[in-house]
Amino acid sequence: DIQLTQSPSSLSASVGDRVTITCRTSQSISDYLNWYQRKPGKAPKVLIYMTSTVQNGVPSRFSGSGSGTDFTLTISSLRPEDSAIYYCQQSYTIPYTFGQGTKLEIK
Amino acid sequence: QVQLQESGPGLVKPSGTLSLTCAVSGGSISSVVWWTWVRQPPGKALEWIGEIYHADIIHYNPSLKSRVTISLDKSRNQFSLNLTSLTAADTAVYYCAGKLWGGGTPAINWFDPWGQGSLVTVSS
Repeated sequence: DIQLTQSPSSLSASVGDRVTITCRTSQSISDYLNWYQRKPGKAPKVLIYMTSTVQNGVPSRFSGSGSGTDFTLTISSLRPEDSAIYYCQQSYTIPYTFGQGTKLEIK
Repeated sequence: QVQLQESGPGLVKPSGTLSLTCAVSGGSISSVVWWTWVRQPPGKALEWIGEIYHADIIHYNPSLKSRVTISLDKSRNQFSLNLTSLTAADTAVYYCAGKLWGGGTPAINWFDPWGQGSLVTVSS
């Protein structure tokens, strides 16, 4: 199975900050990397698929980049409603696998 | 807008069988979607369990393949998960999701939408 390692596992940032979460895979997955956001009591939702394609309705402050084994989710200007857990997921091969999550807290 | 809702027992006994159902609303279960189950044990990463397409193409996670069955009920617009020989390690929040897909090799794909999740505890 392809292993995904996210960093950091948690972070605290202020409104307006630029935040970066990284995801490293144990083997190359080209650009088959998705990002999800999960808030307490709510269904997870896709933010970005195929590394950099922002899902319809997702604010433009979210962006993704990378290729091969190293990927990044960036929030350009943090807002209070961005407090959540963020997960990366490889969609390259079965079994699909996820990162362990990054808990983002707003100071 | 398609919405998913899991239902099932919150508590099941060790060595027993877990049965969960995911009701699909706002769309047809016969649409071009892979219907998927994912779980998250406490303190651990999300784990993909398996997926079904049009009731006749099914993929399972090899780590669970011997114990899992995913099925689809077109008449009720829902799909189901059965997991047998339960142990405490199967305690988790279980999510149903749809996997959308597009072109490319392998095909572009991502999970959307998701249900809110159903907590299942395996305990006597």
